[in-house]
Amino acid sequence: QVDLVQSGAEVKRPGASVKVSCKASGYTFTNYGINWVRQAPGQGLEWLGWISAYNGNTIYAQKFQDRVYITTDTSTSTAFMELRSLRSDDTAVYFCARGRDCDSTRCPSNYWGQGTLVTVSS
Amino acid sequence: DIQMTQSPSSLSASVGDRVTITCRASQGISNSLAWYQQKPGKAPNLLLYDASRLQSGVPSRFSGSRSGAAYTLTISSLQPEDFATYYCQHYYITPWTFGQGTKVEIK
Repeated sequence: QVDLVQSGAEVKRPGASVKVSCKASGYTFTNYGINWVRQAPGQGLEWLGWISAYNGNTIYAQKFQDRVYITTDTSTSTAFMELRSLRSDDTAVYFCARGRDCDSTRCPSNYWGQGTLVTVSS
Repeated sequence: DIQMTQSPSSLSASVGDRVTITCRASQGISNSLAWYQQKPGKAPNLLLYDASRLQSGVPSRFSGSRSGAAYTLTISSLQPEDFATYYCQHYYITPWTFGQGTKVEIK
């Protein structure tokens, strides 16, 4: 069965960076892209970006273009999302999500990680 | 960016009620629309994709349709496990954007 397991909660100071991991299992990792979506407390869903696990191509939301960096390690079937220059409004649960049936952003995500709470506080 | 305007933001309904949630896209998205259900503390769960295709394992009481730029999620007979927050999301182009969410509460 497909599973995406994310790393644990993080507490960071403003200005620091955070790197969240997402370990995939139960499918061929390089066949599907991984999206990263976040949700601030009590708020809606916001897309940060996508990576092709096949060739490492990335697409980022313009809002995060200068601060987010998404990578993969195909040897461990793991995707990573690094967010830099953290601010208090980056406090959110960060989710990884696998594309349903494509290695692009043209399909929704039907498998999601459990979420990683990142708290930014001085 | 494509704006997804979702309504209502919340609703109260009883078990057995028919519930309708609407999402309007600010430009054409060619049926590249998904609906998710999210329960507190959990990840979103894909219900429908391509506007009206039911994701495997999702009960048939959930359905989706489109009329022009408006996309609709219908729950034909609300069940106790359906009380949750629902989001629409387009995947036509990047950036993906989501509707603001509709919280379905028990009446």
